[in-house]
Amino acid sequence: SQKIEQNSEALNIQEGKTATLTCNYTNYSPAYLQWYRQDPGRGPVFLLLIRENEKEKRKERLKVTFDTTLKQSLFHITASQPADSATYLCALDMSTGANNLFFGTGTRLTVIP
Amino acid sequence: DVKVTQSSRYLVKRTGEKVFLECVQDMDHENMFWYRQDPGLGLRLIYFSYDVKMKEKGDIPEGYSVSREKKERFSLILESASTNQTSMYLCASSLPSRGTEAFFGQGTRLTVV
Repeated sequence: SQKIEQNSEALNIQEGKTATLTCNYTNYSPAYLQWYRQDPGRGPVFLLLIRENEKEKRKERLKVTFDTTLKQSLFHITASQPADSATYLCALDMSTGANNLFFGTGTRLTVIP
Repeated sequence: DVKVTQSSRYLVKRTGEKVFLECVQDMDHENMFWYRQDPGLGLRLIYFSYDVKMKEKGDIPEGYSVSREKKERFSLILESASTNQTSMYLCASSLPSRGTEAFFGQGTRLTVV
């Protein structure tokens, strides 16, 4: 069956450290993978997109990697800050079929001052 | 500033009531989506629409219907609300091309009593 798993439901990290979140999937072949941030009681907000032929993408303190052989994406936040505390969702965007996103369950990140 | 607006942030309805959730976007997007989000289950697609009057079932359409009479508006209808439809409902829109981000509304927290 198809599955998208994000490494843990919750992750606590000390301010200033690098947070690493994992997104693993099975039985999918996404053309793109997206990462979103969601604050409590709010809708998700897009952060980054990476294509299947890209290994790595950066945006300010954010870095995403995409390994289609391992079927895994890693999402890094360097020099983490308390304001980075939120739930982070990965989403798979397929190359065929209906145009919609398949979301993971999310990882709730807490950055401790 | 681009926007997806959902008509209500919080809603309390009784079992058996017909419930309408409205979503409006101002970005002239062809695609619109309705998701529900529950703890541990992530975002699950209920219905999506890729054009006016067009709709496609998502993963969990049972108990729901949708309407898209105008490009900017996508309505989710609970024909006869039940307690297991208590959830956070999220509307989103996007361009029709692959590899584009989805824009989400702020969400509607629906409680069915």
